Amino acid sequence: QAQLVQSGAEVKKPGASVKVSCQASGYTFTAYYIHWVRQAPGQGLEWMGWINSNSGGTSYAQKFQGRVTMTRDTSISTAYMEVSRLISDDTAVYYCARDLAAAPENAFDIWGQGTMVTVSS
Amino acid sequence: DTQMTQSPSSLSASVGDRVTITCRASQGIRNYLAWYQQKPGKVPKLLIYAASTLQSGVPSRFSGSGSGTDFTLTISSLQPEDVATYYCQKYNSGPWTFGQGTKVEIK
Repeated sequence: QAQLVQSGAEVKKPGASVKVSCQASGYTFTAYYIHWVRQAPGQGLEWMGWINSNSGGTSYAQKFQGRVTMTRDTSISTAYMEVSRLISDDTAVYYCARDLAAAPENAFDIWGQGTMVTVSS
Repeated sequence: DTQMTQSPSSLSASVGDRVTITCRASQGIRNYLAWYQQKPGKVPKLLIYAASTLQSGVPSRFSGSGSGTDFTLTISSLQPEDVATYYCQKYNSGPWTFGQGTKVEIK
């Protein structure tokens, strides 16, 4: 069955960068987009952007432009999301999610298990 | 950007009750609307997409309706396992904004 498996929890200092991975299995990785969503403790869901797993094209929420980079490695069916210049407000669970039907204008049917990123001095 | 506003923010209902959650978009989004369920400490789960299409494996007590700017999620008979926070999400174009969530509890 299709699934997304993310890398483990991270603790970073303010100003540092973090890179989270999301490995796909059980489906053709390049046929679907991957979105990234984050959730701060006790808060709601916040969409960050998507990557076209085939072409590598990206679209980021304006809030994260210039600070977030999404990439992928098709040889290992893995998407990556890097956040630079971390601040305490970036403390959150970061999720990757697959679109339902091979285009970004879709709901998200498969989610990774989440990666907790803690930013603390 | 299109804002998504859910109401109520929380509700408490008895087992067997009919529960309705509303989601309003600040601009028309046709039927590009999804509903997710997130149980405490768990990953969000897709319930409904295209405003009214039930995702495979989701119990039929869940239903969705609406188009344009006004949408509803209905649980026809609330069950203990439905305790969760529910989010709507627009996906017609970027940004793929979520509503603020509705927390559902058992009375």
